[in-house]
Amino acid sequence: KAGVTQTPRYLIKTRGQQVTLSCSPISGHRSVSWYQQTPGQGLQFLFEYFSETQRNKGNFPGRFSGRQFSNSRSEMNVSTLELGDSALYLCASSPQGADSFAEAFFGQGTRLTVV
Amino acid sequence: AQSVTQPDIHITVSEGASLELRCNYSYGATPYLFWYVQSPGQGLQLLLKYFSGDTLVQGIKGFEAEFKRSQSSFNLRKPSVHWSDAAEYFCAVGAPAGHSGYSTLTFGKGTMLLVSP
Repeated sequence: KAGVTQTPRYLIKTRGQQVTLSCSPISGHRSVSWYQQTPGQGLQFLFEYFSETQRNKGNFPGRFSGRQFSNSRSEMNVSTLELGDSALYLCASSPQGADSFAEAFFGQGTRLTVV
Repeated sequence: AQSVTQPDIHITVSEGASLELRCNYSYGATPYLFWYVQSPGQGLQLLLKYFSGDTLVQGIKGFEAEFKRSQSSFNLRKPSVHWSDAAEYFCAVGAPAGHSGYSTLTFGKGTMLLVSP
């Protein structure tokens, strides 16, 4: 079974630009979460999607958004990039359902550098 | 809100020696507990999890962890460390959000394990 696939692996963007990151979950998983990892703040939850609906959102500004498609693939978008958005963005998929909890499996991440 | 504390930022262990990484959590009920490992430039790999039942859980790569409710701890152990175990280790707690079972993960700051020859 293929794991969680994130594309691209590396990105360099300029301040003010926008960026879209993609995540393909493990086949059969309907829950996709996104996390930001920085040396200063560690791992922070961005949002979680289940069956194309955002179920939970972390404490990030509105510049961070996401969506999930009918095949469970997910994208996250960051608009008006700031230097502080430089981070490793991790996607995780989970077999948890509407009323069940299960562990999360992570992709290798997208390293975003804002210059 | 839940929180996780990993008191050790760095730990150095000799190859072949035993290892214990500490994790304390804060949550009002019994949480779901996890240990993940991250190699440089890579994503997170799940080592083990605790949902309920036996408080001593076995994971991959010879790791185990013990849930102690009275101490709000979930320490990770390995009897004999290998050089390939050098990585960063994260403890995480998952707590149900609202009425549904789904949850988000709250992570500790991580412990960097260095293995000396």
